[in-house]
Amino acid sequence: QSVLTQPPSVSAAPGQKVTISCSGSSSNIGNNYVSWYQQLPGTAPKLLIYDNNERPSGIPDRFSGSQSGTSATLDITGLQAGDEADYYCGTWDTSLSVGVFGGGTKLTVL
Amino acid sequence: EVQLVESGGGLVQPGGSLRLSCAASGFTFSSYEMSWVRQAPGKGLEWLLYISSSGTTIYYADSVKGRFTISRDNAKNSLSLQVNSLTAEDTAVYYCARALGGDSLDSWGPGTLVTISS
Repeated sequence: QSVLTQPPSVSAAPGQKVTISCSGSSSNIGNNYVSWYQQLPGTAPKLLIYDNNERPSGIPDRFSGSQSGTSATLDITGLQAGDEADYYCGTWDTSLSVGVFGGGTKLTVL
Repeated sequence: EVQLVESGGGLVQPGGSLRLSCAASGFTFSSYEMSWVRQAPGKGLEWLLYISSSGTTIYYADSVKGRFTISRDNAKNSLSLQVNSLTAEDTAVYYCARALGGDSLDSWGPGTLVTISS
């Protein structure tokens, strides 16, 4: 059981937009920055978004993040076949003094 | 270019121990916090441990407290993870990752597979 809650799967057609949600609590998302990671099959996770809505260099602006209260979202626009991957949200939990992840969301590009 | 490379994984019997290493290059290792994260086969990510840049502050997930120990050698640009009393539930790919504060992990190694089986 993950501390952060994500939908197990989402899907959309190429060119469309998809939103992945991440729900937490005041001890994690409510008071700490959220990051998002992309994990392509057979590879290590890659940082997509940090500090709720910042993109590391090299990450296209098709990926964007937001946070409100105890929830966060990752938006991916202009879906491409290469976006098929597992996506994880993550943050720090101040009460537990640990890092926490969501259970992951599998994105299927139809 | 930032590079992290884990090593030390392998097949271990239940109750056994391993020492995993992570070699860092391409950045000033002593200036960055580091973490270990694992992923069991077909499962999600599990954050395990955090260590501050100086090594003086360490945080553990409850699942590994008392069994896993994180350490670093800033002179050798190296991060280590001592894992003891291993069970089948510890079978996973173990990743070392560079931390930006406690909130995000901006660079990851390719991982090293630890398999616990008799």
